[in-house]
Amino acid sequence: DTGVSQNPRHKITKRGQNVTFRCDPISEHNRLYWYRQTLGQGPEFLTYFQNEAQLEKSRLLSDRFSAERPKGSFSTLEIQRTEQGDSAMYLCAVGDRENEQYFGPGTRLTVT
Amino acid sequence: GENVEQHPSTLSVQEGDSAVIKCTYSDSASNYFPWYKQELGKRPQLIIDIRSNVGEKKDQRIAVTLNKTAKHFSLHITETQPEDSAVYFCAASTFDYKLSFGAGTTVTVRA
Repeated sequence: DTGVSQNPRHKITKRGQNVTFRCDPISEHNRLYWYRQTLGQGPEFLTYFQNEAQLEKSRLLSDRFSAERPKGSFSTLEIQRTEQGDSAMYLCAVGDRENEQYFGPGTRLTVT
Repeated sequence: GENVEQHPSTLSVQEGDSAVIKCTYSDSASNYFPWYKQELGKRPQLIIDIRSNVGEKKDQRIAVTLNKTAKHFSLHITETQPEDSAVYFCAASTFDYKLSFGAGTTVTVRA
């Protein structure tokens, strides 16, 4: 087990509502990543943190998305004013040694 | 940005035969190439990776090869078994660590 938990595992929300997801690495990891995966596609990079610093954000991450990693441990991803196009699996990954990344189980978001 | 293309999109093999998946990448600065296996409803699982200073790497029944000149890398699975059935993703990254994934290959191993 890679030692990453994500909560909630499933979230159904109505369009326009705000949602927040949480990623909890079981042990300390320097880097933490967020990806989004839609059905039939590979994960797409959203953002990543080196300790508590957010170092890069994808152009996919509109102003409605925000991520934090206070104290360099767990991380949260918030989506404001959700749209149907936000429906996807949101995956958290952690890494230490160079580029290796290990994924959590993901949060499946459905926007109705 | 990096663009990774993966072929084929689906692959059906007889149990015991070999399976080969090929990926190409666009950014010559890419230096890390992992492969992930994702079973239905589960997380992507890192199964093998290769770095740009190595041409080939093996781990039991799986192997990965890298051709930097041609900018392509491949996953080879030998003696396929039913539990090898899954979606396989290739990916590439540069020094910035973010992974760019291919679209995936659905592998079905027929008993």
